[in-house]
Amino acid sequence: AQKITQTQPGMFVQEKEAVTLDCTYDTSDPSYGLFWYKQPSSGEMIFLIYQGSYDQQNATEGRYSLNFQKARKSANLVISASQLGDSAMYFCAMREWDAGNMLTFGGGTRLMVKP
Amino acid sequence: DTGVSQDPRHKITKRGQNVTFRCDPISEHNRLYWYRQTLGQGPEFLTYFQNEAQLEKSRLLSDRFSAERPKGSFSTLEIQRTEQGDSAMYLCASSPPRQARAGELFFGEGSRLTVL
Repeated sequence: AQKITQTQPGMFVQEKEAVTLDCTYDTSDPSYGLFWYKQPSSGEMIFLIYQGSYDQQNATEGRYSLNFQKARKSANLVISASQLGDSAMYFCAMREWDAGNMLTFGGGTRLMVKP
Repeated sequence: DTGVSQDPRHKITKRGQNVTFRCDPISEHNRLYWYRQTLGQGPEFLTYFQNEAQLEKSRLLSDRFSAERPKGSFSTLEIQRTEQGDSAMYLCASSPPRQARAGELFFGEGSRLTVL
């Protein structure tokens, strides 16, 4: 089974609107962390937001928030007030504490912001 | 620029040749990671160093691949006898000794390999 599943290969959003990028995960490790990274066309992966498995509150970082539903094993990224510069690939990733230091990434979602 | 630096940014080689990529992490970061990303996919973990010690290796790291970090600073990733399936972006990342968000990585812009 896939550890991280991102079911939306591509998404369009109108500038200034909010958008939700989906991510589901699969693990039996009770201790894990979930991450979202942005990859613009330059290739550099940029950290956006982190959610620990024991965190009670949903994580927020500026215009980014993570909708963490532990029972459903989902960790959707919400971007509010989209900007043209948000156009990029977005990757969901997980670190399982029993699996060492590796991050497992999903296949990504390409977000395109329309002016 | 004090970010993660990778060299070369692009490499085109013929099948069977050896290639080497270099990564210079952020200076105070003792942890260094290599990932491989093929077109249209997410990055896949290859190996992890803490200081000069290579602590974790993926099964993806076949015996044609070798990574070193001799003095705990820069790292090299060598691919011997390249195959067309090695064509990918090779991403290096680093992280500091203590992290508020364990697993937050700082990535370089990658080295793109094309094997003809």
